[in-house]
Amino acid sequence: AQKVTQAQTEISVVEKEDVTLDCVYETRDTTYYLFWYKQPPSGELVFLIRRNSFDEQNEISGRYSWNFQKSTSSFNFTITASQVVDSAVYFCALSQYSTLTFGKGTMLLVSP
Amino acid sequence: DVKVTQSSRYLVKRTGEKVFLECVQDMDHENMFWYRQDPGLGLRLIYFSYDVKMKEKGDIPEGYSVSREKKERFSLILESASTNQTSMYLCASTRAGTSDNQPQHFGDGTRLSIL
Repeated sequence: AQKVTQAQTEISVVEKEDVTLDCVYETRDTTYYLFWYKQPPSGELVFLIRRNSFDEQNEISGRYSWNFQKSTSSFNFTITASQVVDSAVYFCALSQYSTLTFGKGTMLLVSP
Repeated sequence: DVKVTQSSRYLVKRTGEKVFLECVQDMDHENMFWYRQDPGLGLRLIYFSYDVKMKEKGDIPEGYSVSREKKERFSLILESASTNQTSMYLCASTRAGTSDNQPQHFGDGTRLSIL
């Protein structure tokens, strides 16, 4: 069975701080995909990144970066110099056979 | 851009009513999904469909059914609504084939209240 754990329920930071959102997953498969989604207060889920299990390269996109470590089954997400617009719920998800298993989400609050 | 449209943002229904939630996507995606989202529980898969008239149960199908008569439309049906089905419902779609590496595209969600 697949499982995604986001241990941080809520994180509060002040603008310009760096923040890391943790994601730990469980799967017996050797081929799988990992995703991060952002859900702003308006409600829609916005796709941020996907990573397959054979690609452990870290990725950076502007202020966002992702650290995939297969040895610890983790796929952590870091926001550098956070901004108020980053306030949202962030979901990590694991994909197998077209279905997604989501973590429970981490609510990030960035205050000015 | 992919557009997934859910028919209502907010819906209020009464216990025992039959409720239809509609979802339409405009990118000719084969796969469509219905989730519900509850505080502290994240998103949970209710049903999904790989093709017209095909459906598969997700993690929490009890109390729900679905209909996929056309490729672009996927309906979620609450046969006899109950208060524990008050929730946010999210529809998503994705392309088939190599869809393990294709992100799902989500609608804006329907916040359903059952009184």
